[in-house]
Amino acid sequence: LAKTTQPISMDSYEGQEVNITCSHNNIATNDYITWYQQFPSQGPRFIIQGYKTKVTNEVASLFIPADRKSSTLSLPRVSLSDTAVYYCLVGDIGDDKIIFGKGTRLHILP
Amino acid sequence: SQTIHQWPATLVQPVGSPLSLECTVEGTSNPNLYWYRQAAGRGLQLLFYSVGIGQISSEVPQNLSASRPQDRQFILSSKKLLLSDSGFYLCAWRTGGWGYEQYFGPGTRLTVT
Repeated sequence: LAKTTQPISMDSYEGQEVNITCSHNNIATNDYITWYQQFPSQGPRFIIQGYKTKVTNEVASLFIPADRKSSTLSLPRVSLSDTAVYYCLVGDIGDDKIIFGKGTRLHILP
Repeated sequence: SQTIHQWPATLVQPVGSPLSLECTVEGTSNPNLYWYRQAAGRGLQLLFYSVGIGQISSEVPQNLSASRPQDRQFILSSKKLLLSDSGFYLCAWRTGGWGYEQYFGPGTRLTVT
């Protein structure tokens, strides 16, 4: 399991694009990068997963540079409802043990 | 479709009392099952995970234990609760052997008084 480092918190405004970067210098060849979103009093919810380059879905985009030592979760035009904690996880998708870090607390302001 | 149930939703227990939290999953077979705990304002702490019936891996032994008596049932227990056991307990499942995509239950809010 590669160690990840994310900012503890971020603030942004409604309508802005938000980019949350995760550092994972020790990522292994078989590791994937996965992001989750957690609202208060709920369990985390899977957002997106990728291995390299760029992945996009209806919720977010994930940018992964060629060296894969970092990744950036991009949330387009955020709203107040995007206020949540965002977790970056890095590991072999065959791993049974899944550990969450401290995550990034994103606060969207009106 | 798959569904995960946890109960009770909230629980208030005195110090030294026993605990039993139950989690069941529907609509999938042989899932990996997980128990996490989240203290107020903190991140998720992995407590136990299981890859099959009777197979339990412990991350935080302390005074908690887990059991998996059936394929889609996961139970978290304690013989004597501590104040530090207060928190939000989350059960999760994922398809064994593939992917980091976990699905979480609604959680149990435990307050030890």
